[in-house]
Amino acid sequence: AQSVAQPEDQVNVAEGNPLTVKCTYSVSGNPYLFWYVQYPNRGLQFLLKYITGDNLVKGSYGFEAEFNKSQTSFHLKKPSALVSDSALYFCADTGTASKLTFGTGTRLQVTL
Amino acid sequence: DAGVTQSPTHLIKTRGQQVTLRCSPISGHKSVSWYQQVLGQGPQFIFQYYEKEERGRGNFPDRFSARQFPNYSSELNVNALLLGDSALYLCASSLTAGERFEQYFGPGTRLTVT
Repeated sequence: AQSVAQPEDQVNVAEGNPLTVKCTYSVSGNPYLFWYVQYPNRGLQFLLKYITGDNLVKGSYGFEAEFNKSQTSFHLKKPSALVSDSALYFCADTGTASKLTFGTGTRLQVTL
Repeated sequence: DAGVTQSPTHLIKTRGQQVTLRCSPISGHKSVSWYQQVLGQGPQFIFQYYEKEERGRGNFPDRFSARQFPNYSSELNVNALLLGDSALYLCASSLTAGERFEQYFGPGTRLTVT
């Protein structure tokens, strides 16, 4: 069975500091993992994905994610947070089917 | 290039009514998926269509149906609306149907059932 978990409902970080949004996965076979961001009253925007290859994946808007097989994690990171990064972040995976299964979401709040 | 478009943006229906939501995928994308996002939750998969055929269905009742047209646009129909159907309905398109392909989402249709 495929699933992802986002253990934090909210993450608070000051602008300019590094940010991490956590995601762990539980999937049989090869995981295909994605990060999406949702701004208020808008749909989801694709940030990055891990299929195979390098464990460090670079995505849009300066975000990156590190795939860690031993810890079954796929944490989203950014070296320097911006106030405009404040949004709802979803980790998701697909399995043998191409449907996305989303985590519960983590609200990122970046303050000045 | 235009992204995924959905119509209408908002609509209000009463219990028992029927609703049709529309989606146009990114040009060149042949797969369309539908998701329901209830307030405060992550999106839940409803359907996927590829080349006009249903490729996947989530855990939703038969009141939910969909179809894809030759131009790859899609409609989602919900009959006998319940209050619990109030949600943001998201359409996503992808180049093809496959677990490795990223899906691009439209802005959604906000459905309120009263």
